[in-house]
Amino acid sequence: EAGVAQSPRYKIIEKRQSVAFWCNPISGHATLYWYQQILGQGPKLLIQFQNNGVVDDSQLPKDRFSAERLKGVDSTLKIQPAKLEDSAVYLCASSQTTDTQYFGPGTRLTVL
Amino acid sequence: GESVGLHLPTLSVQEGDNSIINCAYSNSASDYFIWYKQESGKGPQFIIDIRSNMDKRQGQRVTVLLNKTVKHLSLQIAATQPGDSAVYFCAEKGAAGNKLTFGGGTRVLVKP
Repeated sequence: EAGVAQSPRYKIIEKRQSVAFWCNPISGHATLYWYQQILGQGPKLLIQFQNNGVVDDSQLPKDRFSAERLKGVDSTLKIQPAKLEDSAVYLCASSQTTDTQYFGPGTRLTVL
Repeated sequence: GESVGLHLPTLSVQEGDNSIINCAYSNSASDYFIWYKQESGKGPQFIIDIRSNMDKRQGQRVTVLLNKTVKHLSLQIAATQPGDSAVYFCAEKGAAGNKLTFGGGTRVLVKP
């Protein structure tokens, strides 16, 4: 079974630029999550989708972050404009209706 | 508020010995707990989970213990191997939704 795919794996941008990350969940997984993991910390949930609807985006900084999952499969997370404190690893995870979430390899973002 | 934390930030263990990683949680309503392993440059990898109606669960070389009285979770790794070197996170899920709250992580270093 293929795992969660993410791209790009690494991205370096300057502050105030825009960036987008892509995620393809495990086939058949209805729920998709985006997490932010700052170095040395545990992942923090940004947004959760059930199919193409948002379940929880309470910790998403909506003034600069946006995410979509238009067809209920792939998802993109965008940051516009980026700030220095956005430097982190952005993890995508997916799950079926059970509790276990499976994570992708992440995208490491560096904002200069 | 809800919080999941770990007692020891770094655990150094001799190859072949058993490892014990501890985690405290504060939300007594949490009903599901997961341990993840994260190697450098990779996303968190599911190790084992346990529901609140259980106090012990065993997997291959790993055992999770749950003490609801003191809100404590532990992960035991038997016969620790070099490949077990990683950061380990505990995570909890409340009764509503599928949102995981992660602790800060414990780094396990296996000495040959």
